[in-house]
Formats: sequence, structure tokens, C-alpha cells
Amino acid sequence: TQLLEQSPQFLSIQEGENLTVYCNSSSVFSSLQWYRQEPGEGPVLLVTVVTGGEVKKLKRLTFQFGDARKDSSLHITAAQPGDTGLYLCAGTKRGADGLTFGKGTHLIIQP
Amino acid sequence: EPEVTQTPSHQVTQMGQEVILRCVPISNHLYFYWYRQILGQKVEFLVSFYNNEISEKSEIFDDQFSVERPDGSNFTLKIRSTKLEDSAMYFCASSEESRRSTDTQYFGPGTRLTVL
Repeated sequence: TQLLEQSPQFLSIQEGENLTVYCNSSSVFSSLQWYRQEPGEGPVLLVTVVTGGEVKKLKRLTFQFGDARKDSSLHITAAQPGDTGLYLCAGTKRGADGLTFGKGTHLIIQP
Repeated sequence: EPEVTQTPSHQVTQMGQEVILRCVPISNHLYFYWYRQILGQKVEFLVSFYNNEISEKSEIFDDQFSVERPDGSNFTLKIRSTKLEDSAMYFCASSEESRRSTDTQYFGPGTRLTVL
């Protein structure tokens, strides 16, 4: 069973602080995708990382894929209340179709 | 921007009844998927579909489930005889490239299925 473990499960911080959430596995993934999901809605893609060591930036969000392609992190700089939500990582294995999802990190940014 | 759409947004059914969930994938995409998310749990892969046949299915996708692309735009998931434990959000997704690439899957807004 391929597992993606996300940590922390819950995080509540003040507006303006920085934070990092993690997505770890013992398996190698061909690619890893980060999604954000609002209650009652579908996951919305934030970024896809493919190459080991790859770093992608989306405004205040920085995504990194581990060198061994087994883990990833999402760093948010100067968090804002609008960043509040559930952040999911999902990986694809070579030759497989289905995404393996983590359970997500529930992020709350307090004004 | 193109998006995946799903209907209905909420379906309530009696245990033992058949339901059909509908999806319209992004128009130039070739791969289609169904996932489900039981309340409070993680999103789980059910099935992928390519070139009018199932490409891959998980162990969740048993004989009570079937998928079909009845025309050029719709992609459906049928549950033949619903059980209480089928209550979940069902998400359709689509991607442009083949399974051997690292192409991104785009998700629809989901159908909330409630089995009474």
C-alpha cells in the first residue's frame, strides 16, 4: 500500500506568520500534486512537481519535491486568512493511473 | 478556463436503488477518472477510463460499479444497488495525456451521494 502521510494534520497560526506543511512517503512517486479543497467542493490543483529537487513558486507559496521523489513540502510566507483551507498532496506512481492522496492538512489563519 | 462539471450536485437515494452520476470532462482530455471521499476520510481512487474501456480500477470498484462514456461528452458512474456505505462525495477528474506521463488530473466539484 502506498501511503502519503501529511503533517501536521491541523495547524492554526496568526496572520503574517510563515508555515511549512509536509507530505512524506516511503515510496517513490513519478510526480506529486498539491491541491486545495474547500468544504463540499472538489480538489483544486495548485501545482505539480515532477523532478527530484524541483522547487515551484506560486506567489507566497513555495513547493518542493524531495531529491528522492518520496516527499514534498509546501511553505507559505506571510500567511493570510484567505489561505485557510484543506491542503492535499497526491502522488502518481509510474505506470499507474490513480492518484494516491494524503489525508490533508487543515490550515487556519487567524486575523 | 475549461473545467470538469458534474451532475447532480446532490443525490439522495434509497438503499438498493441504482444511481447514475454524470460528468462532463474537459473537452480535449483523453483520460477520465472517478474518485470518492467518504466524510472525514481521504480521497480514494476508484477507476480510470481511456479509449472507451477501463484502464485501471481499485479494489473498491467491485461488480456493483460500472462506468460508461455514452456519447462524446458525458462520462458516467453507475452504482447498481446502493448500500449505506456508498454514501460519499464522488469526484470525476480528467487529464490530457496517457498514463505513462505525469500529467495533471483536474477535478470536478463532486456529487454528494446520500444513501438512506
